[in-house]
Amino acid sequence: NAGVTQTPKFQVLKTGQSMTLQCAQDMNHNSMYWYRQDPGMGLRLIYYSASEGTTDKGEVPNGYNVSRLNKREFSLRLESAAPSQTSVYFCATSSEGVYGYTFGSGTRLTVV
Amino acid sequence: AQSVTQLDSQVPVFEEAPVELRCNYSSSVSVYLFWYVQYPNQGLQLLLKYLSGSTLVKGINGFEAEFNKSQTSFHLRKPSVHISDTAEYFCAVTDTGTASKLTFGTGTRLQVTL
Repeated sequence: NAGVTQTPKFQVLKTGQSMTLQCAQDMNHNSMYWYRQDPGMGLRLIYYSASEGTTDKGEVPNGYNVSRLNKREFSLRLESAAPSQTSVYFCATSSEGVYGYTFGSGTRLTVV
Repeated sequence: AQSVTQLDSQVPVFEEAPVELRCNYSSSVSVYLFWYVQYPNQGLQLLLKYLSGSTLVKGINGFEAEFNKSQTSFHLRKPSVHISDTAEYFCAVTDTGTASKLTFGTGTRLQVTL
């Protein structure tokens, strides 16, 4: 998935710990998204950013915060991780609305 | 708000057989529709999309889908599958007005065997 880079690829956290998932794109896209993928539930939108400096809640925002500091980067922060946040997290970008998302390769997060 | 239903969580099929993965959507407004594929331990890749025009849409890797407004469906088809098509397939929808974010279905696991 050239163009959208997510770090880290894997992470194990203890309950209550905090961490930030990073997403960077070099595609010059305006819109960026954070989804979580859970078995049998597909992908659910956590937060999105239509442009630099703006963010909006998605379907499942509780327990997360985001920052869109510049056009390239969109980070997702877990302030106090819970086992229910064990998931695979995907960052995606798009230009001109949804004429094709480009996804990162994902971050697999386990909270114990 | 829109929603997507993928009724089949798993579809087993033999190599070279045809396959259809079903997708139904719900929306009170006009929609754009998408199919994405996810290979193991990878992100999602766009297979095809319906924005307007012809209701039969052709995508990559020999897949096609047909938009049926009266039945609110967007089923994905391939006339002859290959082992390498084994993956998870997601249908997604957004409204044409905002077109700002996608709502995904729960996915269909296509398992191709010899």
